[in-house]
Amino acid sequence: DADVTQTPRNRITKTGKRIMLECSQTKGHDRMYWYRQDPGLGLRLIYYSFDVKDINKGEISDGYSVSRQAQAKFSLSLESAIPNQTALYFCATSDGGWGGRGNEQFFGPGTRLTVL
Amino acid sequence: TQLLEQSPQFLSIQEGENLTVYCNSSSVFSSLQWYRQEPGEGPVLLVTVVTGGEVKKLKRLTFQFGDARKDSSLHITAAQPGDTGLYLCAGARNNQGGKLIFGQGTELSVKP
Repeated sequence: DADVTQTPRNRITKTGKRIMLECSQTKGHDRMYWYRQDPGLGLRLIYYSFDVKDINKGEISDGYSVSRQAQAKFSLSLESAIPNQTALYFCATSDGGWGGRGNEQFFGPGTRLTVL
Repeated sequence: TQLLEQSPQFLSIQEGENLTVYCNSSSVFSSLQWYRQEPGEGPVLLVTVVTGGEVKKLKRLTFQFGDARKDSSLHITAAQPGDTGLYLCAGARNNQGGKLIFGQGTELSVKP
């Protein structure tokens, strides 16, 4: 079974609709992240959470919100989707331990979101 | 501002050729990672380097961290079609609480 799962894997929606993307992990990691990926731009951080009570904005948080329901669950919402939010969305986890190994991130398979 | 510049952005080579991908920054990183991503999947960690000048080998892949911990390279010897994919470098900085800064990625295509 995959350590980091994302649902749905694909979603097509219309402008103005509310969308929720969900992420679950069985790695026991405290830290979870949401990224979006666009061609030629690499991965850009939307939100991150270092534990259930700690939520932080990333570099491109406008238009997005998150909820950390439990250590294992971190969901991303688009309150009113717009076409330029069409992208690949990835959830990731890390254990945050000391040294380089603590920064290693483990990614889910991604959600391909299309906003028409 | 792109803190990690990867080059080249695209690379198309024949099976058996060697290649090098570069990841450069003006910032110092406490650690740097390389990931590989295949279509329809999330990035998968290949290696983490933490010490300036460090060299790590993973079969035909050689990773090097610059002495000043500002840059890194990935060298693939005798590339194979199975090496095709998107290669991403990512750096962590001491004052960023474990967040990673990603390069734009290098799209590698190895033709048989």
